[in-house]
Amino acid sequence: DIQMTQSPASLSASLGETVTIQCRASEDIYSGLAWYQQKPGKSPQLLIYGASSLQDGVPSRFSGSGSGTQYSLKISSMQTEDEGVYFCQQGLKYPTFGSGTKLEIK
Amino acid sequence: QIQLVQSGPELKKPGESVKISCKASGYTFTDYAMHWVKQVPGKGLKWMGWINTYTGKPTYADDFKGRFVFSLEASASTANLQISNLKNEDTANVFCARGYNSGHYWYFDFWGPGTMVTVSS
Repeated sequence: DIQMTQSPASLSASLGETVTIQCRASEDIYSGLAWYQQKPGKSPQLLIYGASSLQDGVPSRFSGSGSGTQYSLKISSMQTEDEGVYFCQQGLKYPTFGSGTKLEIK
Repeated sequence: QIQLVQSGPELKKPGESVKISCKASGYTFTDYAMHWVKQVPGKGLKWMGWINTYTGKPTYADDFKGRFVFSLEASASTANLQISNLKNEDTANVFCARGYNSGHYWYFDFWGPGTMVTVSS
């Protein structure tokens, strides 16, 4: 199975601050990477797919980048509603998820 | 609008079975795969497998072979997950998620609200 290593496990950011979350795959996943946001008691919501494509309805302050084994999610201006847990997911034959990053307002 | 509606919470004893349903609406059911994802409360996400909603063929992740069965009621746009011989470690929130395959990778664009399965004697 492809292992996904996500960092950091948690972080706090001030309103308006830029936030970056990293995800590393154990082998090349050819940009087959998605990012999700999960709020307490809710199901995950798709933010980014194909490493850098923004899902419909997701604010443009979210962006994804990367290739090969290294990927990142950037929130360009932290908002209150961005608090939650973020997961990366590789989508080759047998999907696997990163362990999650808990993002809070400072 | 696209919706996945799951059945309600379940409280079961070890050794019993449970069946969870996921009813889709707002799109053509057989055009997209249905995946199942497990989440122990407060923990991460684990992919359980998927079912081809056109052919009915299931694919199970290694940790979910044997006691887990994916099935369809295609006429009702519903996917089901049955877990037999329940164990304490099956206690989790289980999500169905619509799978989109871009050609070489999967991602999950719509999710159900989750069904909490609690296994306790």
